[in-house]
Amino acid sequence: QVQLQESGPGLVKPSGTLSLTCGVSGGSISSSNWWSWVRQPPGKGLEWIGEIYHRGSTHYNPSLQSRVTISVDKSKSQFSLTLSSVTAADTAIYYCARVNILSGPPRFDYWGQGTLVTVSS
Amino acid sequence: DIQLTQSPSFLSASVGDRVTITCRASQGISSYLAWFQQEPGKAPKLLIYDASTLQSGVPSRFSGSGSGTEFTLTISSLQPEDFATYYCQQLNNYPRTFGQGTKLEIK
Repeated sequence: QVQLQESGPGLVKPSGTLSLTCGVSGGSISSSNWWSWVRQPPGKGLEWIGEIYHRGSTHYNPSLQSRVTISVDKSKSQFSLTLSSVTAADTAIYYCARVNILSGPPRFDYWGQGTLVTVSS
Repeated sequence: DIQLTQSPSFLSASVGDRVTITCRASQGISSYLAWFQQEPGKAPKLLIYDASTLQSGVPSRFSGSGSGTEFTLTISSLQPEDFATYYCQQLNNYPRTFGQGTKLEIK
């Protein structure tokens, strides 16, 4: 059973950089899947941030592309999100998820529990 | 970006009811559509992918249909644990996008 776990600071100052890590267990991060970040402002809907393949290829949401970097560390079985120049609008629950592309069409089949990041001074 | 519009945004129903939620895409997405259920304080849970394929472990009262630009999620007989918020998601194009959500409440 694949498990994903987000970790990182729960509070970031305005204009600072948000950094989160997603640890992957119960499966190989080097399998033929993509690994994604999704966020959800409190009480609002879901927004896709971006995703990465284990070989390093990435796709980002154009609305965030200038501020986002997603990277992977296969040796630690984890992938990471950095979001720079944050404002209060970046306050959200951040989820990591697996994008399964094996044996069928892509689907977000495993998710972390989510971590709330608040942007405030 | 492909816009997904769910209807209704709010739905009030009773245990045992049959309910249908619609998701319309701003352009054709073939069958690359998924449905998620999200309970308060929890991560989204995949219910349906490829428009109509039931994810492993999901009860058979959930079903999905559609292709192109119009899709539906049907719950054949509502159970107490089904009262939650439902989202559709398209995976045909980048950026991936989600519908705005449908909150299903107990009548």
